[in-house]
This record gives sequence, C-alpha cells and structure tokens, in this order.
Amino acid sequence: AQKVTQAQTEISVVEKEDVTLDCVYETRDTTYYLFWYKQPPSGELVFLIRRNSFDEQNEISGRYSWNFQKSTSSFNFTITASQVVDSAVYFCALSNQAGTALIFGKGTTLSVSS
Amino acid sequence: GAGVSQSPSNKVTEKGKDVELRCDPISGHTALYWYRQRLGQGLEFLIYFQGNSAPDKSGLPSDRFSAERTGESVSTLTIQRTQQEDSAVYLCASSLFSGGLANYGYTFGSGTRLTVV
Repeated sequence: AQKVTQAQTEISVVEKEDVTLDCVYETRDTTYYLFWYKQPPSGELVFLIRRNSFDEQNEISGRYSWNFQKSTSSFNFTITASQVVDSAVYFCALSNQAGTALIFGKGTTLSVSS
Repeated sequence: GAGVSQSPSNKVTEKGKDVELRCDPISGHTALYWYRQRLGQGLEFLIYFQGNSAPDKSGLPSDRFSAERTGESVSTLTIQRTQQEDSAVYLCASSLFSGGLANYGYTFGSGTRLTVV
C-alpha cells in the first residue's frame, strides 16, 4: 500500500529563516512519482514540483529546493529565506507509475511572520 | 479550456437533498480525479477516471456518492441524501496520461465548497 507521511503538522518561522518540510513515503512500486503542492489561504492547489523515482538529483528553483533520498524514502522541501507569502499548507504526494493513484500526505501548515 | 473548471464554486444545501458537482478538465487530459478536503484536513481520494477504462471507485465513502464522466470530458460527482459530514471542498484534477512512464503533473481546479446545513 502507498502512504505519505508529513509528520510536521504546523511550523512557524520568522521571515528570512530557512525552513524544511519533511515528507516520508511508502510504496512497493519501483517506478513512482513524487510531488509537492502549495495551498495558500485562497484554497487553490499550486503545483510546485514532480520528481520520478529514477532521478535522485536534488533540485533548486529560486528559494525552493528539494532533497530526494530513496535510501530513506524521503522527499524533503526547503524554503530558503522564507517570506510571508510562503505562508500556506504544503502537501507532499505520491503517484504510481500508471498514474492511477495520487496519494497525499495530511499537509504541513507553514506560517511565516514578519 | 486553459485550466480545470469546477462549478459551482460554492454550494449550500439542506441535509437530505441531492447535489451535483461539475468538473471540466483541461482539453485532451484523459485522466480525471475527484478529491475531498474537509476543513483543515488533507486531500482524500474519491474516484479516478482514465479514458474508457472502468473508473477506480475505491475512495468513494458510501453508496450515496457516485460519479460519471462522458468520454474524456466533463465529469459530475453526485452526492445523494447529503449529510452534514459531507461538508467539504471537493476538488477535481486532470492529467495528461499516455501510459507507461508518461505521468505528467496534475492540474487542480479551484474546488466546490459544499456546505450541508
């Protein structure tokens, strides 16, 4: 069975702090995809990144970076120099190769204060 | 269309009434998902459509919930005899799927906020 665990329910930081959101997953598939989505207070889900299981290279996009480690089944997300606009709920999700199941973690609520 | 469109954006209904929620996926997207998000909770998978294959209904919480999809276009999620516990945001997502490793990003609609009073 597939499962995504985001152990951090809520995180509060002050602007300019770095913050890492943890994601641990379980799957028996050898090919799978991992995602991060952002859900700001307005409610829409914003796609941030998709990684496949064969690509363990870390990725950086501006202030965002992702650390994928198959050995620990983790796909952690770091925001560098956080800003108030980063305040949102962040979801990690896992999909099998066939795309027939997209399983979400329960989300981490990030609050960034000025 | 340019994105996934859901209607209505808000729906208030009385307990016991039936409701229909509509999802218009991105043109050409063969895969379509429905999710439920209760207040302060994560996303709960409901149902998945892929082309003309039989849908995966494993996430539907009860037989009061059903969904249809016409070909690779519009989908409707129907909740019969609504209960207060059905109050949630219902999100639809679509994806371009062409089999094998062709798993692309999922695009979500803005959701329908259902309130059962």
